[in-house]
Amino acid sequence: GNSVTQMEGPVTLSEEAFLTINCTYTATGYPSLFWYVQYPGEGLQLLLKATKADDKGSNKGFEATYRKETTSFHLEKGSVQVSDSAVYFCALISSGAGSYQLTFGKGTKLSVIP
Amino acid sequence: DGGITQSPKYLFRKEGQNVTLSCEQNLNHDAMYWYRQDPGQGLRLIYYSQIVNDFQKGDIAEGYSVSREKKESFPLTVTSAQKNPTAFYLCASSGGQGRETQYFGPGTRLLVL
Repeated sequence: GNSVTQMEGPVTLSEEAFLTINCTYTATGYPSLFWYVQYPGEGLQLLLKATKADDKGSNKGFEATYRKETTSFHLEKGSVQVSDSAVYFCALISSGAGSYQLTFGKGTKLSVIP
Repeated sequence: DGGITQSPKYLFRKEGQNVTLSCEQNLNHDAMYWYRQDPGQGLRLIYYSQIVNDFQKGDIAEGYSVSREKKESFPLTVTSAQKNPTAFYLCASSGGQGRETQYFGPGTRLLVL
């Protein structure tokens, strides 16, 4: 079956530090990969996505590259801000059997301190 | 503005009681989903529906029921058979050309009295 493994948190960084959150996956076929972000007490928001190998998703200064050879989709940001404090979820979708079921990692909590 | 609404924001359940969580979308999406979120466990799929009047069980459907009578609505009932219902419940929808991308509502937190 499909699975997503992401680095355990919490991660605490100072403002303007470099961020990497690792994500690796196991899936059949050719999944699409996503990063979602959840701010305290809220639902999930799509941060970025990539649908095929070597695609780079980017949004709000965050980037992730779909690496099929290493089955990875690591999230990076060059300079984090306090407003980036949230929980980040890596996820994949496999369209086998015509359905679109998301498989999530357990989430990584990021805290950015001034 | 198009989006997904969930109500209520907080819901309290007494022992042996069934409660229903509302999810409405005006995005004209065909597919809708219910997830349960527990601390440190990510999100797990309860039920999903790809079209009106049809739905399928997800990974943790026991103790839950759904209906899909209208395209816009996908209510979730937490029955008394669900022995550990305390969690954050998230509804999502997807559709159109980008149907692999799911959009989430703000969530309902269910607590047991």
